Amino acid sequence: KQEVTQIPAALSVPEGENLVLNCSFTDSAIYNLQWFRQDPGKGLTSLLLIQSSQREQTSGRLNASLDKSSGRSTLYIAASQPGDSATYLCAVPSSNTGKLIFGQGTTLQVKP
Amino acid sequence: NAGVTQTPKFRVLKTGQSMTLLCAQDMNHEYMYWYRQDPGMGLRLIHYSVGEGTTAKGEVPDGYNVSRLKKQNFLLGLESAAPSQTSVYFCASSYLGSSNDEQYFGPGTRLTVT
Repeated sequence: KQEVTQIPAALSVPEGENLVLNCSFTDSAIYNLQWFRQDPGKGLTSLLLIQSSQREQTSGRLNASLDKSSGRSTLYIAASQPGDSATYLCAVPSSNTGKLIFGQGTTLQVKP
Repeated sequence: NAGVTQTPKFRVLKTGQSMTLLCAQDMNHEYMYWYRQDPGMGLRLIHYSVGEGTTAKGEVPDGYNVSRLKKQNFLLGLESAAPSQTSVYFCASSYLGSSNDEQYFGPGTRLTVT
């Protein structure tokens, strides 16, 4: 059974710092991995989708990497800003029907 | 393009009452999903649909029913609400539901059962 873990559960950094969020999964036979952002009381916004054949994806200040063999993905945020404060979730499909298995999330606070 | 919308945004029910949550998407997606999000439990799949007229159980289906009569709509029903169903409910959709697809989420429905 696939399990997804995110460590740490919470992270607080000063503005401008580069940071890395971690996601690990137990079954390396994944189709893809998706990173989401969730603001308090809001829905999930898709940030990046990495296909199983890819090693990384970039969008602006965000870079996500994927290492299937070790069961890990990282989300790198460059030059963090207070507006980046949110909960970041990673998820992998449990089968070819796309049902997502989520990690518990990392709550990020970027202090001005 | 509204994306994925959910109705209502908030609701308070008494134990034993029934209600239906509506999810609508305008992206012509085949696959639709209902998740619930609870503190300490994360997001868990309730039911999903791989196309119009089809539904299937997810991880936590008990106490819920669903229907997909039209491709763009996915309804989640609670026949007899229980306090354990207090949660935030998210609907999501994807084009093919396959390995290459992103899932797009709605804004959520906050349900409290007293």
